[in-house]
Amino acid sequence: QIQLVQSGGGGVQPGGSLRVSCAASGFSFSDFGMHWVRQAPGKGLEWVAFIRFDGSHKSYADSVKGRFTISRDNSNNTVFLQMNSLRPEDTGVYYCAKDKERRQDEYFFDYWGQGTLVTVSS
Amino acid sequence: EIVLTQSPGTLSLSPGERATLSCTASLTVRGGYFAWYQQKPGQSPRLLIHGASSRATGIPDRFSGSGSGTDFTLTISRLEPEDFALYYCQQYSRSPPTFGQGTKVEF
Repeated sequence: QIQLVQSGGGGVQPGGSLRVSCAASGFSFSDFGMHWVRQAPGKGLEWVAFIRFDGSHKSYADSVKGRFTISRDNSNNTVFLQMNSLRPEDTGVYYCAKDKERRQDEYFFDYWGQGTLVTVSS
Repeated sequence: EIVLTQSPGTLSLSPGERATLSCTASLTVRGGYFAWYQQKPGQSPRLLIHGASSRATGIPDRFSGSGSGTDFTLTISRLEPEDFALYYCQQYSRSPPTFGQGTKVEF
């Protein structure tokens, strides 16, 4: 069955950096785009970043552009989110999520990771 | 970006009743590129509907989606105990993809 297992995250001071990872299994990882979506405490969902199935295209929410970098390692079925210059408003649960359609940039999500809490506080 | 507004904020119903959730977009959502998700406390969201009206794999047929343009609806024909949760709409017609603020269906 399809699984997305996240790791990383934790607490960091404002201005610091963190990396979260998402290991995929149960599907042909190199054929699907991957996303990061976050949820501030008690709030709704916010799309953060996307990477195309082959890594050739990346896109970001304006709120994280220039600070966050999405990447993937298709040989190890893993997607990453490197977060730099973190701000308190970046606090929340970060989910990796799989694009539903094979080799198409669809921007909706049929499987989600379990979520990783990132806390930015002094 | 397209702003999605969900109504009502909270829907208080009983098992067996029909639930109708609405989502209105600030701009036309082209191509029916619209989805609905369910989220329970402490869990990740689950895809229910995509393409405005297509049920995702394994979703019971009591869930149905409809709508086009700027107005979309999720209907749960007869509420089961496990359906009491938070529901989000999402458009993926134009970047960035955006979500509504959520509707809580409570007993």
